[in-house]
Amino acid sequence: GAVVSQHPSRVICKSGTSVKIECRSLDFQATTMFWYRQFPKQSLMLMATSNEGSKATYEQGVEKDKFLINHASLTLSTLTVTSAHPEDSSFYICSARRGWGSYNEQFFGPGTRLTVL
Amino acid sequence: TQLLEQSPQFLSIQEGENLTVYCNSSSVFSSLQWYRQEPGEGPVLLVTVVTGGEVKKLKRLTFQFGDARKDSSLHITAAQPGDTGLYLCADLSSNTGKLIFGQGTTLQVKP
Repeated sequence: GAVVSQHPSRVICKSGTSVKIECRSLDFQATTMFWYRQFPKQSLMLMATSNEGSKATYEQGVEKDKFLINHASLTLSTLTVTSAHPEDSSFYICSARRGWGSYNEQFFGPGTRLTVL
Repeated sequence: TQLLEQSPQFLSIQEGENLTVYCNSSSVFSSLQWYRQEPGEGPVLLVTVVTGGEVKKLKRLTFQFGDARKDSSLHITAAQPGDTGLYLCADLSSNTGKLIFGQGTTLQVKP
C-alpha cells in the first residue's frame, strides 16, 4: 500500500511559538492532501483540504490565519500552527489522496502529537 | 450537514465473543468506508462499500451496507485482543475526496 509520513511524530512547545508539521506521500503523487485534528477519545475532524499550487480550503470554524497550510509539491504539504496555545494541543493527522473520482484512495499518516505548555 | 452516528460508543468484551457496531447517516452515503485506529496512529482502511445491500468479509469481520445506503454494520466474530481499537465509519465524497467521520466506537477486547 501507499505510504504517508508525518514529521515530527511528537512536539512539545511553549505557548506563543509556532510549530510546523510536514506530511509527505512517499511513493505516489497526491492529488489532494487533507489535515485532520483529533482530541482524546474523539473522532477525526477535517480541518482543511490542500491542493498543490493553490490555497487551502478550510472547514467552517477553522481559523486560516491560525493554521497555515502550504502545499508546495504533489508529495508535500505542511501545517503550521501559529502562536500556539494550550488549547491547540491535539493529535494532528494528514491524509493523501491518490486518484480521482470513484477510484480515489486516501492514505493516512501516523499523526503528530502536539503539546503546548 | 451530514451527521454520522455510531453505536455503541464504547464496548468492552471478553476474547472469543462476537460483537456488532453500527453506523447511521442522516443522508445517503456517497461511499462508505470503515477504518480502525490504534492509539497514537493514523486510521487504517478496512473496507469500502458502495452498493446498497452489499456485504463484504475480511477474515472475521463482516461489513453490511443497508439497502437504502444510509446505514451500515460491522460484525466481528470471535474477537481477539488484537481487534482492540477505535472503529470509525466515514463517508467519502468521490468529487472532493473529503471524508466525514462518525464519532467512532472504542472496542476493548480483554484476554
